[in-house]
Amino acid sequence: DQQVKQNSPSLSVQEGRISILNCDYTNSMFDYFLWYKKYPAEGPTFLISISSIKDKNEDGRFTVFLNKSAKHLSLHIVPSQPGDSAVYFCAASSAVSGQNFVFGPGTRLSVLP
Amino acid sequence: ETGVTQSPTHLIKTRGQQVTLRCSSQSGHNTVSWYQQALGQGPQFIFQYYREEENGRGNFPPRFSGLQFPNYSSELNVNALELDDSALYLCASSPFDVLGTGGGYGYTFGSGTRLTVV
Repeated sequence: DQQVKQNSPSLSVQEGRISILNCDYTNSMFDYFLWYKKYPAEGPTFLISISSIKDKNEDGRFTVFLNKSAKHLSLHIVPSQPGDSAVYFCAASSAVSGQNFVFGPGTRLSVLP
Repeated sequence: ETGVTQSPTHLIKTRGQQVTLRCSSQSGHNTVSWYQQALGQGPQFIFQYYREEENGRGNFPPRFSGLQFPNYSSELNVNALELDDSALYLCASSPFDVLGTGGGYGYTFGSGTRLTVV
């Protein structure tokens, strides 16, 4: 049973527009969430994180929103750039599980010029 | 500052064989985690090492084992390879209190070792 879900395997967005990547989780014990970006032939790269005491965290063009009651988080990229084209993974952790992150299956974002 | 390096990058093994994958941690990181990423899926946690001892394990059988050395580098060993072990194996390093720092920068991943079992 997948504890972290990313229901959209792929997403295409025009350059300059907003990209919204969604993630849902089932384990209410999760209290820390991260987004990673992965290019082909490279390891995942940390992008942005949020803890459950917040509902929003912003870093430049990237903003993560957390809705704890809905067990849902989203990553907004504004404006989208062709270099953002990659696979994006949502990951979650809890104080109980410690440093062990549970990853979603990923969403492939394509930003079209 | 060096990142996380893994070797080899690609490997082909026969079912039933044993394999050892290696990882050098990023400078300043004392914790190493290993993940398995099957095709089309997200990384799945195998185990974590801190101070040369296993510090958490995912849902993987005992034939998956590891070591961490005093210099914080690490090995992942898989015995009695099965076809389903074919995957990208990712090593990630971090400070031990990666969630307690408040900085929240998570792991630093290597580029992985692509293992194919035939």
